[in-house]
Amino acid sequence: AQSVTQLGSHVSVSEGALVLLRCNYSSSVPPYLFWYVQYPNQGLQLLLKYTSAATLVKGINGFEAEFKKSETSFHLTKPSAHMSDAAEYFCAVSGTSYGKLTFGQGTILTVHP
Amino acid sequence: DGGITQSPKYLFRKEGQNVTLSCEQNLNHDAMYWYRQDPGQGLRLIYYSQIVNDFQKGDIAEGYSVSREKKESFPLTVTSAQKNPTAFYLCATSDRGTGELFFGEGSRLTVL
Repeated sequence: AQSVTQLGSHVSVSEGALVLLRCNYSSSVPPYLFWYVQYPNQGLQLLLKYTSAATLVKGINGFEAEFKKSETSFHLTKPSAHMSDAAEYFCAVSGTSYGKLTFGQGTILTVHP
Repeated sequence: DGGITQSPKYLFRKEGQNVTLSCEQNLNHDAMYWYRQDPGQGLRLIYYSQIVNDFQKGDIAEGYSVSREKKESFPLTVTSAQKNPTAFYLCATSDRGTGELFFGEGSRLTVL
């Protein structure tokens, strides 16, 4: 069984500041991990995914995440926030390369000018 | 254009009525999923199907039904038995080997 915990339902940063969104997972098998972004009233778009290759994963829009097995974490970062990054972000885990994902509660990112 | 089409985007329903949400895909993906999204609760899996004419219950299947008669289509019916149906519903697909889900634009259901 898999589960995901996203620490912080709301995160607020200034434009140009570091973005850090936290995700911890639990999985009984080696996990596949994902970060998705959602803009209001839209579907989810994949930012990046970890599938047991490199532990540092680069995604779209300048985001990256690092898989840390010892900490069971997969935190999402971006060096410099943009106003367009304001959205809700979801971390998700799967135990297989083909199957249903379990999602975290989501973190709403607000970016201030 | 390849993708996932959900319709309608907005739907209003009176209590006691069944309503069917459409999901069509032309990505040729085998698996299709329905998720429900409520504020602060993330996405919860309602039903999924990995092959035509077969589907499985997810975590919150009560009050919902699905069918998978064609590879391209996976409609979701919200029945009158669903006690709190007002939510945003997302359809997704996945392909073998990639693990990731591809999402439609969602359907927002409001019960009046």
